[in-house]
Amino acid sequence: KNEVEQSPQNLTAQEGEFITINCSYSVGISALHWLQQHPGGGIVSLFMLSSGKKKHGRLIATINIQEKHSSLHITASHPRDSAVYICAVGNNDMRFGAGTRLTVKP
Amino acid sequence: GAGVSQSPSNKVTEKGKDVELRCDPISGHTALYWYRQRLGQGLEFLIYFQGNSAPDKSGLPSDRFSAERTGESVSTLTIQRTQQEDSAVYLCASSYRSGGSYEQYFGPGTRLTVT
Repeated sequence: KNEVEQSPQNLTAQEGEFITINCSYSVGISALHWLQQHPGGGIVSLFMLSSGKKKHGRLIATINIQEKHSSLHITASHPRDSAVYICAVGNNDMRFGAGTRLTVKP
Repeated sequence: GAGVSQSPSNKVTEKGKDVELRCDPISGHTALYWYRQRLGQGLEFLIYFQGNSAPDKSGLPSDRFSAERTGESVSTLTIQRTQQEDSAVYLCASSYRSGGSYEQYFGPGTRLTVT
């Protein structure tokens, strides 16, 4: 079993839909990271959180340390949100989920 | 300010040759990380540096891989006697400090193709 599991692997949505991507992990962590990888390959850090909830624009990330689970939500999804979303945990030797490929259709 | 830069952006090499990949972190960032992403696969941790401390090499896949960093600046990842399975995008990231509680800023990557 991988140390970081993401679901779903692939997700197709219509513009405007509410999106949820899930991440479960089995290792102890100091923080969990959500990353976005654009079709061209560039990676951007979206959130880093160790408890509770963070919001940035239409993006919301939550984490439950006791349950070792995090969710990334996208409200009012838009085609420009199409990307691979990656969950990562750990300290310096980060462990990455396989990613969720999101496609938002207009 | 300038982000993390990597060079070259693309590298094609013949099997058995050595390659050097370069990473310039964000100024002031003491931690630097190397990752590998094979085609269609997830990111893999390779090595990280924190200041002048000994690097954590636990992710390096074989002794053909090595990395150096000069102080808190440039890092080079060297792959000796390249193999076809080394083909991947090699990503560098830097953060203010090491530890999972600091945001990492990623470079654009070097796409390595071993023929």
